[in-house]
Amino acid sequence: EDQVTQSPEALRLQEGESSSLNCSYTVSGLRGLFWYRQDPGKGPEFLFTLYSAGEEKEKERLKATLTKKESFLHITAPKPEDSATYLCAVQAIQGAQKLVFGQGTRLTINP
Amino acid sequence: DAGITQSPRYKITETGRQVTLMCHQTWSHSYMFWYRQDLGHGLRLIYYSAAADITDKGEVPDGYVVSRSKTENFPLTLESATRSQTSVYFCASRTWTGIGNTEAFFGQGTRLTVV
Repeated sequence: EDQVTQSPEALRLQEGESSSLNCSYTVSGLRGLFWYRQDPGKGPEFLFTLYSAGEEKEKERLKATLTKKESFLHITAPKPEDSATYLCAVQAIQGAQKLVFGQGTRLTINP
Repeated sequence: DAGITQSPRYKITETGRQVTLMCHQTWSHSYMFWYRQDLGHGLRLIYYSAAADITDKGEVPDGYVVSRSKTENFPLTLESATRSQTSVYFCASRTWTGIGNTEAFFGQGTRLTVV
């Protein structure tokens, strides 16, 4: 069974304090790993897709990396507007386009 | 407007009633999904559809029914609502480009309360 575990559940940082969110996964052949951002009362918003170990992608203060067992979402010098819940999801090669999600990390950036 | 739209945004219903949540997308994406989001469980897949008239069960399908007579619509019906179905429901769509998958696009969600 495909599984995704995210840690920590919640993270509180000061503005400018860099950190990383973790996404550990077990999947029977990875087709893709996805990062989403979700603001309160809204649907998840796509951030990145990673396909193979060693791949990295960046967007503003966010950088996602992938190994064979986990992915990290690094946030550099965060701002209060980066506060959100960050979701990780995997798609298996045999998964018929389905995404399996982790429980998310709730990130709060204090000014 | 282009995108994926869910209706209603909020719904309160009584135990035992039938309720239908609507989902409409304008991209003609082949794949559509229904997820529920609960505290402590994250997003869990209820049903998905690969194309019109093709649907399949996800992780938590019991108590739900779906149909897809048209590519753009994917309604979710709770046949006899129970309190355990109180949740936030998200519809999503994506497509296969032949080169790779597109990301999944999500609606804004329907908050359903069963009393």
